[in-house]
Amino acid sequence: GQSLEQPSEVTAVEGAIVQINCTYQTSGFYGLSWYQQHDGGAPTFLSYNALDGLEETGRFSSFLSRSDSYGYLLLQELQMKDSASYFCAAHTGGFKTIFGAGTRLFVKA
Amino acid sequence: DTGVSQDPRHKITKRGQNVTFRCDPISEHNRLYWYRQTLGQGPEFLTYFQNEAQLEKSRLLSDRFSAERPKGSFSTLEIQRTEQGDSAMYLCASSLDDREGTDTQYFGPGTRLTVL
Repeated sequence: GQSLEQPSEVTAVEGAIVQINCTYQTSGFYGLSWYQQHDGGAPTFLSYNALDGLEETGRFSSFLSRSDSYGYLLLQELQMKDSASYFCAAHTGGFKTIFGAGTRLFVKA
Repeated sequence: DTGVSQDPRHKITKRGQNVTFRCDPISEHNRLYWYRQTLGQGPEFLTYFQNEAQLEKSRLLSDRFSAERPKGSFSTLEIQRTEQGDSAMYLCASSLDDREGTDTQYFGPGTRLTVL
């Protein structure tokens, strides 16, 4: 089957750095995206990796290793507003996007 | 650019009734997705349209579910003979085929379905 695994919860303090890992098992994989979702809100796009390596977008960075079927989202200088759920999503050649179950991030003061 | 809109935002129905949801994507976006999300889970892929063509449909989707995008603009998702297990948030997303494969999906606010 096709699946993505990510930790269910992560807790960190304001100003810290946190890494959310994602391992995937899919067929026809061509890229990994990350989305943020606040309670009651819709998912919003954060980052996308098609090639191995690190992509940086402001305080957020995302990494992909295709050989390890692994990626991570790195959040720096954490702020209280970063408390949300974060989803990794695998894009497949069959036009299907498969989301992980999400990692709930709690940022403490 | 007014973003992706969905209607209705909430729907309460009795088991066995049919329901239809509408999604209006961002105007120039040729890709449209439907997802279902339950509490504590990620969005579950239901179906994908490129323009008016339905190119992918989840094998988990029963025959009670059908979707259309008749003119390659708005889309409808119909659930026939609803069951309590259909209660969920139904999300629509759209994206633009930019030939670079990024597929940044913009999500609508969702339709929350409650089946009594």
